[in-house]
Amino acid sequence: GNSVTQMEGPVTLSEEAFLTINCTYTATGYPSLFWYVQYPGEGLQLLLKATKADDKGSNKGFEATYRKETTSFHLEKGSVQVSDSAVYFCALTSNTGTASKLTFGTGTRLQVTL
Amino acid sequence: GAVVSQHPSWVICKSGTSVKIECRSLDFQATTMFWYRQFPKQSLMLMATSNEGSKATYEQGVEKDKFLINHASLTLSTLTVTSAHPEDSSFYICSARGDRGPETQYFGPGTRLLVL
Repeated sequence: GNSVTQMEGPVTLSEEAFLTINCTYTATGYPSLFWYVQYPGEGLQLLLKATKADDKGSNKGFEATYRKETTSFHLEKGSVQVSDSAVYFCALTSNTGTASKLTFGTGTRLQVTL
Repeated sequence: GAVVSQHPSWVICKSGTSVKIECRSLDFQATTMFWYRQFPKQSLMLMATSNEGSKATYEQGVEKDKFLINHASLTLSTLTVTSAHPEDSSFYICSARGDRGPETQYFGPGTRLLVL
């Protein structure tokens, strides 16, 4: 079956530091990969996605590249801000359209300090 | 982006009572709604998927008589935890999806249930 493994948090960084949150996956077929962010008191929001190998998803300064050879989709940001403090979830789906179901990792809490 | 609301945001109840959680898509019609359960430091576990007007499809291991799901309209789904027990205490998250797959799936803020 499908599974997603994320690095355990919490990750604590100073503002302007470089961020990497590791994500690896196991899936049948050719999954689509996602990163979601959950700010305190809010629902999960789609941060970025990639649908095929070597695609790079990007949004709000965050990037992740779909690496099929290493089955990874690591999240990176060059310079984090305090406002990036949140929980980040890596996810995949191996079907398309309305039949698809998301499989989530355990989430990684990021805390950015001044 | 689209907004999904959940009500209540938290609830405390006595063992043996039933609790209803509402999930609404506020500005779009949800073809499909999902209910997840999240334990501390664990991932979101899909409980069931429902389409408007039809019976929910439950994931393996989820008791359909314990967790009743009603998808009454394209903007409303409810989850009723029947005869709740302390082991049902958890964080429940609903999600609503439009007609274009995961990119149009939006999540509610969650409901924390504590059963005493």
